[in-house]
Amino acid sequence: SQQGEEDPQALSIQEGENATMNCSYKTSINNLQWYRQNSGRGLVHLILIRSNEREKHSGRLRVTLDTSKKSSSLLITASRAADTASYFCATDLDNDMRFGAGTRLTVKP
Amino acid sequence: DTAVSQTPKYLVTQMGNDKSIKCEQNLGHDTMYWYKQDSKKFLKIMFSYNNKELIINETVPNRFSPKSPDKAHLNLHINSLELGDSAVYFCASSANRGRVDKGDEKLFFGSGTQLSVL
Repeated sequence: SQQGEEDPQALSIQEGENATMNCSYKTSINNLQWYRQNSGRGLVHLILIRSNEREKHSGRLRVTLDTSKKSSSLLITASRAADTASYFCATDLDNDMRFGAGTRLTVKP
Repeated sequence: DTAVSQTPKYLVTQMGNDKSIKCEQNLGHDTMYWYKQDSKKFLKIMFSYNNKELIINETVPNRFSPKSPDKAHLNLHINSLELGDSAVYFCASSANRGRVDKGDEKLFFGSGTQLSVL
């Protein structure tokens, strides 16, 4: 069964703006990960946040995790046209990683 | 060198045929996976193997049979293909899945095999 559910399904912004994507899940987790998928390609790992962490940064990425609400958000700051892709959250519990349907982000130049 | 490689990239076949998709990883990882991505982009886990041993077997028709000859390879054989099998199939691998919180939990994906059943 699916676990992560991303929101919104699609997001279109101008270059330079920030993009925020949300993920909700249903069960306990060890960690939550965000992946990026360019059209016609495999997924690429972006960032991992553990269940005992609340916020994590990596370059222009900021991830938050609220285990009480079973939700996470991914913020991409100062977006670029090259950030156009689908973004997936994945929940990891005891060697079992589950994905959602992703958020399709379009960054217009 | 591609870390996780799967072949073929495209597979077009008739209903009822049997086909295989191959996957190899050169990362020295212990665990390999097959995921199916449907037309709505849902990515659903099908199987997971750790050191050639099956550890996750989702509710997948038994027409799908994974085979892991060694921990670097996980192939997917599909019998009696149906129209609904059309999707993109991704192979992935990860290290040390039995050791949580060691920083090795991320997955490395292949580029996918687009299967079209006519």
